[in-house]
Amino acid sequence: AQSVTQPDIHITVSEGASLELRCNYSYGATPYLFWYVQSPGQGLQLLLKYFSGDTLVQGIKGFEAEFKRSQSSFNLRKPSVHWSDAAEYFCAVGAPPGGSYIPTFGRGTSLIVHP
Amino acid sequence: DGGITQSPKYLFRKEGQNVTLSCEQNLNHDAMYWYRQDPGQGLRLIYYSQIVNDFQKGDIAEGYSVSREKKESFPLTVTSAQKNPTAFYLCASRRNQETQYFGPGTRLLVL
Repeated sequence: AQSVTQPDIHITVSEGASLELRCNYSYGATPYLFWYVQSPGQGLQLLLKYFSGDTLVQGIKGFEAEFKRSQSSFNLRKPSVHWSDAAEYFCAVGAPPGGSYIPTFGRGTSLIVHP
Repeated sequence: DGGITQSPKYLFRKEGQNVTLSCEQNLNHDAMYWYRQDPGQGLRLIYYSQIVNDFQKGDIAEGYSVSREKKESFPLTVTSAQKNPTAFYLCASRRNQETQYFGPGTRLLVL
């Protein structure tokens, strides 16, 4: 069975500082990996996704993530955080299409940005 | 303007009452999903549907029911059997590609 672990429940950074949110997954083959962001009281917005190819993926809002097969990780990074980045971040893993596609979500990491 | 809409934004339920949450999409997506979100627990799958007139239970289907009579619509009913319905409910859809897209959510509160 597939699973996702986001080890950090909360992360606090200062505005302008760099950010890395951790995501570890368990899946038997090459997974499809996603990062979503959720502002309070809102739905989830896709930041970026990895299906195959280049292991460094660029997303919206200046975010990037790197797929590391050897570490079963897909960490999200941003070089300089803005106050508007404060939100909940979810990592998800999904199986390739063709079967019953049910992605698994991590429990989320809450990002707090200090001025 | 394509997207997923959920209504209402807030919903209040009385004891013993069934309530229905609406989810509509105009993205021409085949698959639709309902998730429940509680603080610190991430997203938990309630029901999903891959085609019209077919749906499957997710991890926490007890106390919920769904229908899929049209491709665009996937309403969720929270029945009186659901003893702890207070949560944020998210609907999502997906076409034959791999990415899910989410609606804005409905917050259900118990009076």
